[in-house]
Amino acid sequence: DTAVSQTPKYLVTQMGNDKSIKCEQNLGHDTMYWYKQDSKKFLKIMFSYNNKELIINETVPNRFSPKSPDKAHLNLHINSLELGDSAVYFCASSQGTEGKGFFGQGTRLTVV
Amino acid sequence: GESVGLHLPTLSVQEGDNSIINCAYSNSASDYFIWYKQESGKGPQFIIDIRSNMDKRQGQRVTVLLNKTVKHLSLQIAATQPGDSAVYFCAENRDYKLSFGAGTTVTVRA
Repeated sequence: DTAVSQTPKYLVTQMGNDKSIKCEQNLGHDTMYWYKQDSKKFLKIMFSYNNKELIINETVPNRFSPKSPDKAHLNLHINSLELGDSAVYFCASSQGTEGKGFFGQGTRLTVV
Repeated sequence: GESVGLHLPTLSVQEGDNSIINCAYSNSASDYFIWYKQESGKGPQFIIDIRSNMDKRQGQRVTVLLNKTVKHLSLQIAATQPGDSAVYFCAENRDYKLSFGAGTTVTVRA
């Protein structure tokens, strides 16, 4: 069973569109994260939710809106997509906020 | 600035040799560090962690060393295998989040 699963794995879309990425974890963790990895492999945290409450919001444009319907799910909705949003987005989860995260396989977003 | 960085972006290692991957950090208040391995097309995978009250921690074929005096972290991989080829990240935990370094790409030569 996949511990942290993201869908879709690949997403190609045009500028200006709105898209969502879904994430689910079956580890029973109480904290979930979204990270963005750029073309140089640099990983940066975007958001973190603990028990469905937002605890980290790292200077991310408000076109990005995370939603956590329950502890096992953290979705990422992106409005008005821009070329610079092209990246690999990783969902992760951990028990507590210490950050020892288990990562999903990533969603490669390409905006054309 | 306060960040976690790596000394070398790439490392080429002969199969069977030991690998050493280095990482420097500048936040002396950081108390928890993690090494991750990321294979091509996959998400980062936890390798080993260490808390600031320790100098050394060993896992299966891996050892993490922490030198708080010079704010240096290293990952040693014993008897490097082809499957060890990947990008390795160090990360520090502060303010409830992980901050990652830029990564070192390890290539294992047959």
